[in-house]
Amino acid sequence: DVKVTQSSRYLVKRTGEKVFLECVQDMDHENMFWYRQDPGLGLRLIYFSYDVKMKEKGDIPEGYSVSREKKERFSLILESASTNQTSMYLCASSGVGAWPQHFGDGTRLSIL
Amino acid sequence: QKEVEQDPGPLSVPEGAIVSLNCTYSNSAFQYFMWYRQYSRKGPELLMYTYSSGNKEDGRFTAQVDKSSKYISLFIRDSQPSDSATYLCAMSPSSRLTFGEGTQLTVNP
Repeated sequence: DVKVTQSSRYLVKRTGEKVFLECVQDMDHENMFWYRQDPGLGLRLIYFSYDVKMKEKGDIPEGYSVSREKKERFSLILESASTNQTSMYLCASSGVGAWPQHFGDGTRLSIL
Repeated sequence: QKEVEQDPGPLSVPEGAIVSLNCTYSNSAFQYFMWYRQYSRKGPELLMYTYSSGNKEDGRFTAQVDKSSKYISLFIRDSQPSDSATYLCAMSPSSRLTFGEGTQLTVNP
């Protein structure tokens, strides 16, 4: 079974902090994705990566950056956290092609 | 207007009922269609996926795609309390996935 592991289930940070969310997959997948999930808005793609050191903007990249130094690890960075970034963050991975995507259990991030 | 529309519910049914979940979409380029199930406090898990118009069956679940109407459905037969979850449709032209908002389903014993 594919396993996508997100480092934290719950995280509380303060406005202005730099926040790192980590994701690791164990299936040697090429593609990795970061989404946020909000009530009434569903899942929205923040960034994705199709190879090490490669990244592409998704639909809502503003205020975020990513890093992929190793194939199995994809990090999401909130450069200066703001309260409107309070959300559920989901990481996913897939093999060749963008689907099927396998998800981690999410990080519920609160920015105070 | 959203590319993918899905009624968020909530939908509540008695155990044993047939459940119908639906999504409509506007992008004719969508070719791949998926249904994910998400339990509370968990990530989405892939239930079914299909490429073409028509039906695909897997146990109690049937996925239906009508490209001419831009409409997809998921049917759950003999629904069980363990089916209580949020169901998300997702679709793709070739690379990125676009998700519906999700429908919250409760199956009452």
